[in-house]
Amino acid sequence: AQSVTQLDSQVPVFEEAPVELRCNYSSSVSVYLFWYVQYPNQGLQLLLKYLSGSTLVESINGFEAEFNKSQTSFHLRKPSVHISDTAEYFCAVKGGKLIFGQGTELSVKP
Amino acid sequence: EAGVAQSPRYKIIEKRQSVAFWCNPISGHATLYWYQQILGQGPKLLIQFQNNGVVDDSQLPKDRFSAERLKGVDSTLKIQPAKLEDSAVYLCASSLGDRGREETQYFGPGTRLLVL
Repeated sequence: AQSVTQLDSQVPVFEEAPVELRCNYSSSVSVYLFWYVQYPNQGLQLLLKYLSGSTLVESINGFEAEFNKSQTSFHLRKPSVHISDTAEYFCAVKGGKLIFGQGTELSVKP
Repeated sequence: EAGVAQSPRYKIIEKRQSVAFWCNPISGHATLYWYQQILGQGPKLLIQFQNNGVVDDSQLPKDRFSAERLKGVDSTLKIQPAKLEDSAVYLCASSLGDRGREETQYFGPGTRLLVL
């Protein structure tokens, strides 16, 4: 069985500041890892994913995440956030089915 | 390419009433999923279809929830009778269905259900 823990339910940050959203997982089998973003009143959009290869994966809008097998983590980072990054972010793991964490609400303030 | 379509977007009903949600996946996607997202939680898989067959419905409350995908394209999720705890966003997702664990799921906008 797999599980996902997002360590922060809310992360407030000022515009242009760096941010890290933390995600830890547990699994008895190898997994694939995902970050999804959910803007208000919208469905989930895939932000980035780790399937294999380089442990550092990047999205087109400046986010990156690093797969750390020894620490069973897949933290999401961005060096400088914008107001438009305000959203709910979900970490997910897939061994068999896709299992989501409880979400982290990122609130970017001017 | 059109995304996953869902309707209605919002629904308010009283407890013990029935309700149905509709989903049309991305064209060509063989796998369709229904998720329940309760406020403050991540989505939880209710049922997964591969074409018109059920792959996983282990977390579907079968005494009140049912789902079908008769022609292997669009799908309907029904709740009868609804309970207060069914208030949630119901998300539909689809994927190609031919890449095993590497499948990327694409989500619709969801149907927000409020049971009074």
